[in-house]
Amino acid sequence: QVQLQESGPGLVKPSETLSLTCAVSGYSISSGYYWGWIRQPPGKGLEWIGSIYHSGSTYYNPSLKSRVTISVDTSKNQFSLKLSSVTAADTAVYYCAKMIGIVGASIFDYWGQGTLVTVSS
Amino acid sequence: AIQLTQSPSSLSASVGDRVTITCRASQGISSALAWYQQKPGKAPKLLIYDASSLESGVPSRFSGSGSGTDFTLTISSLQPEDFATYYCQQFNSYLLTFGGGTKVEIK
Repeated sequence: QVQLQESGPGLVKPSETLSLTCAVSGYSISSGYYWGWIRQPPGKGLEWIGSIYHSGSTYYNPSLKSRVTISVDTSKNQFSLKLSSVTAADTAVYYCAKMIGIVGASIFDYWGQGTLVTVSS
Repeated sequence: AIQLTQSPSSLSASVGDRVTITCRASQGISSALAWYQQKPGKAPKLLIYDASSLESGVPSRFSGSGSGTDFTLTISSLQPEDFATYYCQQFNSYLLTFGGGTKVEIK
């Protein structure tokens, strides 16, 4: 059974960089599949942030691309999200998820529980 | 970006009712559509993929249909555990997008 667990600071100051890590268990990232980040502002809908393959190939949402970096560490079986220059609009629950298939255009079959990140001074 | 418009945004229904939710894409996406269920405080759960394929373990009262631009999620007989918010997601392009969600509430 694949399990994902997000971790990182729950509070980030405006203009700083949000950093989250997703630890994967039950499956080796090196074996394949894309892995993604999705966020959900309080009381609102889902927004895809970006996805990464074990090789490091990435796809980003153009609306966030200038501020987002997703990386993978196969030795630790985890992948990470960095979002720079955050504002209050970046306050959201951040989810990491496994994607079906080996192409970037896919869907999410396993999700982490999500972690709330609040941007505030 | 491909926009997905869900309707209605919310609905009230009773246990045993047949419920239909619609998702319309701003351009044709073939059958590259998935449906998720999300309960408060929980991560979304995959229900349907490829517009009409039922994810393993999902009850058969859930079904999906459609192709091109118009899609539907149907719950044939609403159960108490089905009260939740439902989202569609397209994967026809690498810019993945979700619909705005449909909240199914108890009447």
